[in-house]
Amino acid sequence: QKEVEQNSGPLSVPEGAIASLNCTYSDRGSQSFFWYRQYSGKSPELIMSIYSNGDKEDGRFTAQLNKASQYVSLLIRDSQPSDSATYLCAGPLSGGSNYKLTFGKGTLLTVNP
Amino acid sequence: DGGITQSPKYLFRKEGQNVTLSCEQNLNHDAMYWYRQDPGQGLRLIYYSQIVNDFQKGDIAEGYSVSREKKESFPLTVTSAQKNPTAFYLCASSIRLLDYEQYFGPGTRLTVT
Repeated sequence: QKEVEQNSGPLSVPEGAIASLNCTYSDRGSQSFFWYRQYSGKSPELIMSIYSNGDKEDGRFTAQLNKASQYVSLLIRDSQPSDSATYLCAGPLSGGSNYKLTFGKGTLLTVNP
Repeated sequence: DGGITQSPKYLFRKEGQNVTLSCEQNLNHDAMYWYRQDPGQGLRLIYYSQIVNDFQKGDIAEGYSVSREKKESFPLTVTSAQKNPTAFYLCASSIRLLDYEQYFGPGTRLTVT
């Protein structure tokens, strides 16, 4: 079964540091990936979409997609306590059901003041 | 204000009762989805719909039913046949089925005792 795997964490970083969240996937055909942020008790919020190999930057967030290595990451620069949340990686894995986003189990990030 | 609403936020039921969770969107999205989230697990797809009067089973449809009579509405019924219904239920939508940027409602936390 094709999967999206995340390092389960938890990940703890000091305020102002760079937080690095990683995700691997098993489907070489996947073309795009998405990062969602989920605060405790709340629903996921889409924060980054990446559709091509390389980096995509949006403010303090940078998503990196490496299709050859089947690896996607999210870097958060100048981490703030408000970034403390679970981060979910998701990708549309093919196999007859390419409409379906497959989610990783999430990485819990804690940013310490 | 465009968005997805789910009601109620919390729902308590006795075992053996059917319960219907509401999901409404005013984003003019064609596709809608229902997910279930359990602690320590990724999101699992229950049902999805790409258009009015059409819906398809996801990975864990047993014990659930849906309808899509209006573009804006996609209610989920958790039947007594669902063996472990206590979970956080999330409704999402996207512009179309193959548009993987999905936007989530606030969720309904169902507890069955």
